[in-house]
Amino acid sequence: QQQVKQSPQSLIVQKGGISIINCAYENTAFDYFPWYQQFPGKGPALLIAIRPDVSEKKEGRFTISFNKSAKQFSLHIMDSQPGDSATYFCAASKGNAGGTSYGKLTFGQGTILTVHP
Amino acid sequence: EAGVVQSPRYKIIEKKQPVAFWCNPISGHNTLYWYLQNLGQGPELLIRYENEEAVDDSQLPKDRFSAERLKGVDSTLKIQPAELGDSAVYLCASSRTSGMSSYNEQFFGPGTRLTVL
Repeated sequence: QQQVKQSPQSLIVQKGGISIINCAYENTAFDYFPWYQQFPGKGPALLIAIRPDVSEKKEGRFTISFNKSAKQFSLHIMDSQPGDSATYFCAASKGNAGGTSYGKLTFGQGTILTVHP
Repeated sequence: EAGVVQSPRYKIIEKKQPVAFWCNPISGHNTLYWYLQNLGQGPELLIRYENEEAVDDSQLPKDRFSAERLKGVDSTLKIQPAELGDSAVYLCASSRTSGMSSYNEQFFGPGTRLTVL
């Protein structure tokens, strides 16, 4: 069962442009939504995360927008740079303890971002 | 602070052979995760440990996969016998989980790339 759907699969952006990646989830019990960045040959690294009590979170050039009613969240990368070229994964989990599945991250399929200089 | 250490980084084996992966989490992190990442996909949880207890192993194929975390620190994931479809990257992650909340960043290691011939 695909619980977190991510789009697009790949994205090409010019340097200085805005990169937007979207995710939709099904499980309303999810209450923690992180974005991970992965470079080739490396493990995923946390970029930014949000909880559903806020609709937006910004850290530097990275912003998460969250729409609880639509069960959607997105990552915006402002002023995209060639160094941002990587694979980005959205994820979701139940942060609060309750059953054995809390803390388990369910990942989207990933988006390969290429930023041209 | 040293990150999550995994070894080996690469492993090539013949099908039906056994293989083992080792993970050393970040010091002080009580929660350890093993994820499977197929090419072009997001990581999928195999097993999660809280200290030395496996609290979620529902996605671990127990007929051929086994894991242990003796003394609640290092962990080993084993496959016996390996099949062609096991070719993937095996990621280890750790986090510091306290109390009833698991809104904690998971730190990933670089992974072990397994190729089964």
